[in-house]
Amino acid sequence: DAGVIQSPRHEVTEMGQEVTLRCKPISGHDYLFWYRQTMMRGLELLIYFNNNVPIDDSGMPEDRFSAKMPNASFSTLKIQPSEPRDSAVYFCASSQRVTNEQFFGPGTRLTVL
Amino acid sequence: GQSLEQPSEVTAVEGAIVQINCTYQTSGFYGLSWYQQHDGGAPTFLSYNALDGLEETGRFSSFLSRSDSYGYLLLQELQMKDSASYFCAVRDSGGYQKVTFGIGTKLQVIP
Repeated sequence: DAGVIQSPRHEVTEMGQEVTLRCKPISGHDYLFWYRQTMMRGLELLIYFNNNVPIDDSGMPEDRFSAKMPNASFSTLKIQPSEPRDSAVYFCASSQRVTNEQFFGPGTRLTVL
Repeated sequence: GQSLEQPSEVTAVEGAIVQINCTYQTSGFYGLSWYQQHDGGAPTFLSYNALDGLEETGRFSSFLSRSDSYGYLLLQELQMKDSASYFCAVRDSGGYQKVTFGIGTKLQVIP
């Protein structure tokens, strides 16, 4: 298996623009997580899905952030409008219900100017 | 809510043993995980403890004491490639698979 796939790997955009991050989880995994990592706040859980259904979005910072999982093999995290404080590395991870291991994608480094 | 504490930085000599501690406060504890992250890389899973005691996987071991809300990661025969950040993460009753990560401990291995 190719592991968790994220795109793009790097994104540079200007304040106010819409940003869409994409994730393909490992086939057969029924949980998908979106994390944000910064030096100041560490690794924060934004939202997670089980069988394509959002279970907990309490970590989503504000209404500018939204996430969808239209099917078992694809998820998006959208920021609209983006702000400089959204600059961070965004990780997608997936796992199976019967294990305790989360598999992380390579991350998307987002810079908002 | 949950809170985890771990040292921000640790330095150790190649070939030596190092212990990274983690204390946590949470409601409804299920287990403690450890992840490794190299600079510029993604976190990778090392271990999971749900019960008290020591779990060994090669050069790495992880310990948990539920009564003390405490765990540690033990790295033996340190190698230069072990230089990385190490995160403890607690799984609590907030969700079957949801974990909360600590701020991470940056380990520097020196010759």
